[in-house]
Amino acid sequence: EAGVAQSPRYKIIEKRQSVAFWCNPISGHATLYWYQQILGQGPKLLIQFQNNGVVDDSQLPKDRFSAERLKGVDSTLKIQPAKLEDSAVYLCASSLGSTEQYFGPGTRLTVT
Amino acid sequence: AQSVTQLGSHVSVSEGALVLLRCNYSSSVPPYLFWYVQYPNQGLQLLLKYTTGATLVKGINGFEAEFKKSETSFHLTKPSAHMSDAAEYFCAVSEGQAGTALIFGKGTTLSVSS
Repeated sequence: EAGVAQSPRYKIIEKRQSVAFWCNPISGHATLYWYQQILGQGPKLLIQFQNNGVVDDSQLPKDRFSAERLKGVDSTLKIQPAKLEDSAVYLCASSLGSTEQYFGPGTRLTVT
Repeated sequence: AQSVTQLGSHVSVSEGALVLLRCNYSSSVPPYLFWYVQYPNQGLQLLLKYTTGATLVKGINGFEAEFKKSETSFHLTKPSAHMSDAAEYFCAVSEGQAGTALIFGKGTTLSVSS
């Protein structure tokens, strides 16, 4: 089966610009996660969806980050405006409701 | 609140030597525990997991880990390192419910020399 797809793989923007990341989970996976992985640290959850509803967004900086999951399938994560400290790898993961999460390759964002 | 501590940000071993990566966790409920591996410019791949039952779990690529509740530990081992094991390894915990988000440690980089 196809894995979790993410695009773009790399993005370089200047601070105060906006950027969007896209994730397509494994077919049939109801739960979708966005994690932020800053260099030298482990991934940290930003937001979790169950179908198209938000389960947990307590660590999402809502003044600049937004995410949606239309029709309970694909998801988009947006940053507007970006700050230098947003430079990180953004990982999308999905699960079928089991304990195992499947991760995409990530999008590496560099903010200059 | 749950947390994960990985002791040693960098571990170096010789090819054929024992690999031991340490992980301690904190959880107020029975945890689910995971080890993931990340190769450069790739996503995370699950090595093994503990949910319930047998405390010694075997994973892919010859890795195994033992859940020790009394020590709140879940250390990862492999009897004989291969060059291809060089990567970053992350220990993670969840609250023991299916679909719960993971809390990761900071990771340990494993280097393998010939």
